[in-house]
Amino acid sequence: AQKVTQAQTEISVVEKEDVTLDCVYETRDTTYYLFWYKQPPSGELVFLIRRNSFDEQNEISGRYSWNFQKSTSSFNFTITASQVVDSAVYFCALSERSGGSYIPTFGRGTSLIVHP
Amino acid sequence: ETGVTQTPRHLVMGMTNKKSLKCEQHLGHNAMYWYKQSAKKPLELMFVYNFKEQTENNSVPSRFSPECPNSSHLFLHLHTLQPEDSALYLCASSQDLTRGAVHEQFFGPGTRLTVL
Repeated sequence: AQKVTQAQTEISVVEKEDVTLDCVYETRDTTYYLFWYKQPPSGELVFLIRRNSFDEQNEISGRYSWNFQKSTSSFNFTITASQVVDSAVYFCALSERSGGSYIPTFGRGTSLIVHP
Repeated sequence: ETGVTQTPRHLVMGMTNKKSLKCEQHLGHNAMYWYKQSAKKPLELMFVYNFKEQTENNSVPSRFSPECPNSSHLFLHLHTLQPEDSALYLCASSQDLTRGAVHEQFFGPGTRLTVL
């Protein structure tokens, strides 16, 4: 079973639309960390946000916002007023303790295409 | 140079060749990672090094051999690869993995490997 599920393989929107990328995770740990990364066509993943399991406050950064809900094991990502430059593959990741370290497990990613 | 660099960006090799991928980080980090990214598959963690010591080997075939001579450099030596090894190989670094520390990762642009 996947530990991080991004059910949406590809999403296509028109510029200025709002879009939400879903992430559902699975863990038995009480302490864990969740991440979102963006992978533009250039290839390198870019860190967007980290959230620990004890901090359920939602976060907003410009047009980006994140909704963390432990009750549903979800950490969803919303882009408001999407732009063409938002086109990329977005990965959700979960870090659980493995031995003495926290090692990340990535979801399969959601490809977002924003049309002008 | 800034961030995480990888060379070469593209590599085509035959199954009997020996080649090496190089990764260098200029961020003062102490943990480095190799990932394999294949089409339609999750990002696969291959190896993790923390302060030059290998801490994770995710059941990677021995035809992939990592080397970490110092905290800034990471190599992936390749020999007798198979066509299914064709993928994007991503290097990443993070601050460190000591005492359960959790830090975001910084990724390089990857090496696109094609095995003929």
